[in-house]
Amino acid sequence: QQQVKQSPQSLIVQKGGISIINCAYENTAFDYFPWYQQFPGKGPALLIAIRPDVSEKKEGRFTISFNKSAKQFSLHIMDSQPGDSATYFCAASIVRYNFNKFYFGSGTKLNVKP
Amino acid sequence: GAVVSQHPSWVICKSGTSVKIECRSLDFQATTMFWYRQFPKQSLMLMATSNEGSKATYEQGVEKDKFLINHASLTLSTLTVTSAHPEDSSFYICSAREGRNYGYTFGSGTRLTVV
Repeated sequence: QQQVKQSPQSLIVQKGGISIINCAYENTAFDYFPWYQQFPGKGPALLIAIRPDVSEKKEGRFTISFNKSAKQFSLHIMDSQPGDSATYFCAASIVRYNFNKFYFGSGTKLNVKP
Repeated sequence: GAVVSQHPSWVICKSGTSVKIECRSLDFQATTMFWYRQFPKQSLMLMATSNEGSKATYEQGVEKDKFLINHASLTLSTLTVTSAHPEDSSFYICSAREGRNYGYTFGSGTRLTVV
């Protein structure tokens, strides 16, 4: 059973547009929700993260919106640039023993057209 | 920031041989490291949790005798794929955390191809 569901699978956005990626989860015990950016042949890099006691977090052009009651969260990339073209993964984590176990979404391949 | 180095970045090996992948935390000590596997165009799946000085904890369905994990020091964890087969071909990624916070850093991954 997939713990975190991510959509869309792929996304094409014009330069300057807004990219929106959505994720949903079921386990209310999750307490940390990061987004990762991954370029081909590279490991994921943390982009931005949020905790469930906050409804929105913004860092530069990247914003996470979090809806605890709906168990959904989304990534908004404002003024999307060709350099943003990558695969984005949402994740949710739960503390197990003394570390976080991460459950990743299936990924969204973003292509920003110049 | 924290840096996790993974080596090699890619490797090709023959069926039946074993391959070792190293994961190092360059500027911090990591008592716990994590090994993930990623198939093409798919998400990351946690394989095992590597604990310094003790046995690794494997996720359900992961063969511990096939994927040997050794975490001999606070800065190095190794994953050995034993008797590799073509179905083991995948992208393997390690991760580590600096301190008791949520800052998990991923390595750059190792592309394993078994021919």
